Amino acid sequence: EVQLVESGGGLVKPGGSLRLSCAASEFTFSTYFMTWVRQAPGRGLEWVSTISSSGTYRYYADSLKGRFTVSRDNTKNSLFLQMNSLRAEDTAIYYCARDIYTYNDALGAFDIWGQGTTVTVSS
Amino acid sequence: DIQMTQSPSSLSTSIGDRVTITCRASQSINYDLNWYQQKPGKAPKLLIHTASRLQSGVPSRFSGSGSGTDFTLTISSLQTEDFATYYCQQSYTYPYTFGQGTKLEIK
Repeated sequence: EVQLVESGGGLVKPGGSLRLSCAASEFTFSTYFMTWVRQAPGRGLEWVSTISSSGTYRYYADSLKGRFTVSRDNTKNSLFLQMNSLRAEDTAIYYCARDIYTYNDALGAFDIWGQGTTVTVSS
Repeated sequence: DIQMTQSPSSLSTSIGDRVTITCRASQSINYDLNWYQQKPGKAPKLLIHTASRLQSGVPSRFSGSGSGTDFTLTISSLQTEDFATYYCQQSYTYPYTFGQGTKLEIK
């Protein structure tokens, strides 16, 4: 079964760091753009970051102001999100998601999602 | 950034109703508009991409239309399992942006 499984969430103090992981299975991970989307409690969806299939191109939400870094390891079918200088407003469920098409045909539409990992920033 | 505005924010509806949700972009996004359904405690599910293309496995009662700045999601005959929150999302340019969501509730 095509699957994405996030991990690495937890409780962290303001100013702290956290690294999220997303493990992909049953599809050719290296051919897909991958994306992180978050959802604060009781709020809507917010796009966070997208990385190209090779990892060459990376895109971020303006609100992150350089605090987050997306990366991937295609040899391990894994996606990562390094989050630094965390703030209370970063508290959310973080989802990883796969683009519907591969390589340069990537649409920016997300057909496979993980179950999410919860990040709570609180003192 | 492109702002996506959905209306209504919530809607009380009944089984069998025809439902239309509107999404407006702050600038033209051609056909680069996607729709998702999200149920409580679950990840979003892609319903429609490229404004009107039904994702594989999604029931045909769902349809999408529009281009440029104005888009609609229509559910032709609401079923019990359709009570959820719906989001539009533009993929025309980074940063990608979502609408604020439309919650369908049982009347």
